Amino acid sequence: TQLLEQSPQFLSIQEGENLTVYCNSSSVFSSLQWYRQEPGEGPVLLVTVVTGGEVKKLKRLTFQFGDARKDSSLHITAAQPGDTGLYLCAGEDNYGQNFVFGPGTRLSVLP
Amino acid sequence: GAGVSQSPRYKVAKRGQDVALRCDPISGHVSLFWYQQALGQGPEFLTYFQNEAQLDKSGLPSDRFFAERPEGSVSTLKIQRTQQEDSAVYLCASSAKQQGTDTQYFGPGTRLTVL
Repeated sequence: TQLLEQSPQFLSIQEGENLTVYCNSSSVFSSLQWYRQEPGEGPVLLVTVVTGGEVKKLKRLTFQFGDARKDSSLHITAAQPGDTGLYLCAGEDNYGQNFVFGPGTRLSVLP
Repeated sequence: GAGVSQSPRYKVAKRGQDVALRCDPISGHVSLFWYQQALGQGPEFLTYFQNEAQLDKSGLPSDRFFAERPEGSVSTLKIQRTQQEDSAVYLCASSAKQQGTDTQYFGPGTRLTVL
């Protein structure tokens, strides 16, 4: 069974600070996705990373896929209250049939 | 509508009751997924359809859970004889193509509470 761990579980920071959250596994994934989920809503896809070592930027968000395709990080620069939410990583299983989700990092950015 | 819709948004059931949860995917999307999200956790895969064919139901927790997509569009997740441990948010997602790295679009979920 492929499992994903995310850290930290909770993070509360002030507006303007930088932060990094992590997604780790002992398994190799074909691809990995990051989602943000707000209360009462479904997850919304932020990015998909496919190649080991890949770095993608989405405005103030920087995503990195580990060289071995077992881990990933999300870095947010100058966090804003609108970044508040549950950040989920999901790895595509080796059969290409579905995605395995991590438990998420709950981020709160205080004004 | 443009997105995935689910109904009802909230469902309260007494233990032992049967429930049916509906998912309307984005029109024309081939793939449809059901997930269960317990409080404070990430979504857990339940089952996957490609058109009307249920290709993977390995995540269904027991034989009390049943899903169908008879015409390859709307899907229903049915839970028989509900138990308290079934309380969770049930998410539906659809994607345009066969599974792979294609984007999944999630609905808002149905929050099921079993008393």
